[in-house]
Amino acid sequence: DTAVSQTPKYLVTQMGNDKSIKCEQNLGHDTMYWYKQDSKKFLKIMFSYNNKELIINETVPNRFSPKSPDKAHLNLHINSLELGDSAVYFCASSQLRGNSPLHFGNGTRLTVT
Amino acid sequence: GIQVEQSPPDLILQEGANSTLRCNFSDSVNNLQWFHQNPWGQLINLFYIPSGTKQNGRLSATTVATERYSLLYISSSQTTDSGVYFCAVSSYLQGGSEKLVFGKGTKLTVNP
Repeated sequence: DTAVSQTPKYLVTQMGNDKSIKCEQNLGHDTMYWYKQDSKKFLKIMFSYNNKELIINETVPNRFSPKSPDKAHLNLHINSLELGDSAVYFCASSQLRGNSPLHFGNGTRLTVT
Repeated sequence: GIQVEQSPPDLILQEGANSTLRCNFSDSVNNLQWFHQNPWGQLINLFYIPSGTKQNGRLSATTVATERYSLLYISSSQTTDSGVYFCAVSSYLQGGSEKLVFGKGTKLTVNP
């Protein structure tokens, strides 16, 4: 009965590879997010989708491409991985304009070697 | 954009002690939340509190929006309270509540 689930939990890959992280929420929320947490624990928003529509796109390299097939799913695809992409990526969801708390998944630790 | 400052950056307590964590922000906000990141990396939402006071067990939070700060109180701390506490806000100026900006966190260590 996990509310926000993301897979995989760990991802180790080499520079130049392409990888995807999947996220699903069963809270009935209409908005989903991707956050990046760097080695200093700083959390920064990357993308947000509301009902499958992109509403936030921070200054993220275009090697990162989110895809939302429906409002319960938000995936993140990363092309041509670089060493600097190593971080923990968190998926989250909330109900937009509903005074709704943000709920996070457990994170995906990406290590690029 | 809106700035969020948390203090102290690090805090070490003995089990049973009380503590207060502070979050200052630079603009009017329409959304303020507190999160706990446990030592396993999980981010848990503690409070949604753009204004007023809320309590949940040993934890309580107060936001004084007019003075642009929020406080998180932890009473009778336990070792399981260890981790990093984040404050996150979004501003009316950003046009919505969907873009939370996080502070750098307060790392709390509770020793037995």
